[in-house]
Amino acid sequence: DAGVIQSPRHEVTEMGQEVTLRCKPISGHNSLFWYRQTMMRGLELLIYFNNNVPIDDSGMPEDRFSAKMPNASFSTLKIQPSEPRDSAVYFCASSTSGTRGSTDTQYFGPGTRLTVL
Amino acid sequence: AQSVSQHNHHVILSEAASLELGCNYSYGGTVNLFWYVQYPGQHLQLLLKYFSGDPLVKGIKGFEAEFIKSKFSFNLRKPSVQWSDTAEYFCAVRGYYKLSFGAGTTVTVRA
Repeated sequence: DAGVIQSPRHEVTEMGQEVTLRCKPISGHNSLFWYRQTMMRGLELLIYFNNNVPIDDSGMPEDRFSAKMPNASFSTLKIQPSEPRDSAVYFCASSTSGTRGSTDTQYFGPGTRLTVL
Repeated sequence: AQSVSQHNHHVILSEAASLELGCNYSYGGTVNLFWYVQYPGQHLQLLLKYFSGDPLVKGIKGFEAEFIKSKFSFNLRKPSVQWSDTAEYFCAVRGYYKLSFGAGTTVTVRA
């Protein structure tokens, strides 16, 4: 299994530009999570999809952030316009189920290191 | 709401020393507990997990953790560390679907 795939691995952009991060979950997994990791705030859950439907987006910082999952094998996280404080490592994770009582484990991708100048 | 507290921010040890990292969680219901490791420049990898049953859980690379329900703790241990164990270690709790992570503990093992 290839694991969770994220692209790009590194992104450097200028303030005000649009940034799109991509994620391919592990085949057969029906839950997908976007996390952000910063020194100040640690690992934070941004949004959670189950069966391609956004279930919890309470962690999305503001309207500049949006996420989509058009099918079971692809998700995007978009920041528009980007700001320097968005600089962080963004991780995507997937699991087999997101329901209460399940014994699924979240598997993480390699992350995208975003730098906004 | 669930939360996780890791007591040590940075631990420095010599090779062959024993390691114990503290983790306490707060959650009112049945929890699933995890330890993840992040090697420098890499993504998070699962070390071990506890869902139910034997409270002493063995993971990869010689790590183990003990779930003590009365203390809301899930401490990570390794009897003898190696230089390659230098990494950041995260404790996490899942109450429903959401993983809540602790702030992480950086472990530096000196050769």
